[in-house]
Amino acid sequence: AQKVTQAQTEISVVEKEDVTLDCVYETRDTTYYLFWYKQPPSGELVFLIRRNSFDEQNEISGRYSWNFQKSTSSFNFTITASQVVDSAVYFCALSEPNYGGSQGNLIFGKGTKLSVKP
Amino acid sequence: DTGVSQDPRHKITKRGQNVTFRCDPISEHNRLYWYRQTLGQGPEFLTYFQNEAQLEKSRLLSDRFSAERPKGSFSTLEIQRTEQGDSAMYLCASGSSYEQYFGPGTRLTVT
Repeated sequence: AQKVTQAQTEISVVEKEDVTLDCVYETRDTTYYLFWYKQPPSGELVFLIRRNSFDEQNEISGRYSWNFQKSTSSFNFTITASQVVDSAVYFCALSEPNYGGSQGNLIFGKGTKLSVKP
Repeated sequence: DTGVSQDPRHKITKRGQNVTFRCDPISEHNRLYWYRQTLGQGPEFLTYFQNEAQLEKSRLLSDRFSAERPKGSFSTLEIQRTEQGDSAMYLCASGSSYEQYFGPGTRLTVT
């Protein structure tokens, strides 16, 4: 069965600290997609990144970086020099191929609530 | 704004009433998804459309729930005979083959 586990329910850091959000997934497929979404207090889910299972290269986008390790079934997200505006709930999600090989519905973890204090 | 829109944003209804929500996807997206999110949980998949065809339904989608996308553009989600357990945020997402973009959601409160 497919499953996403975000073991950290809440994390609190002080501004400018680095923080890593953990994500562990389970799937029996060899082809799958992994995602991170941000849900600020306003409630709207914001897409951050998608990775497919064949691409294990780490990715960096500004202060955000993602570490994908198939060997440990993990897809961790690091925010460098955190800011108050990073305060939100962050969701990791998994998708398996659907019709035609593209991604299907998303299976979300329970989320990690990040609070960045000034 | 060309993002996903949902209407209404909030709905309060009494138990036993029927409610209908609307989702307008990003215009060039042929895929549309409905999810439900309860407090402290991640969104859970309900159903998926490709154009006007409903291709997948979760077992969460009981007989009281029905979704349509009549012309492959906007979609509606109806809940009949609402129950207090239906109180949640109902999220719509539209997407291409590899990404999904979410709307602001409709928060349903059943009293």
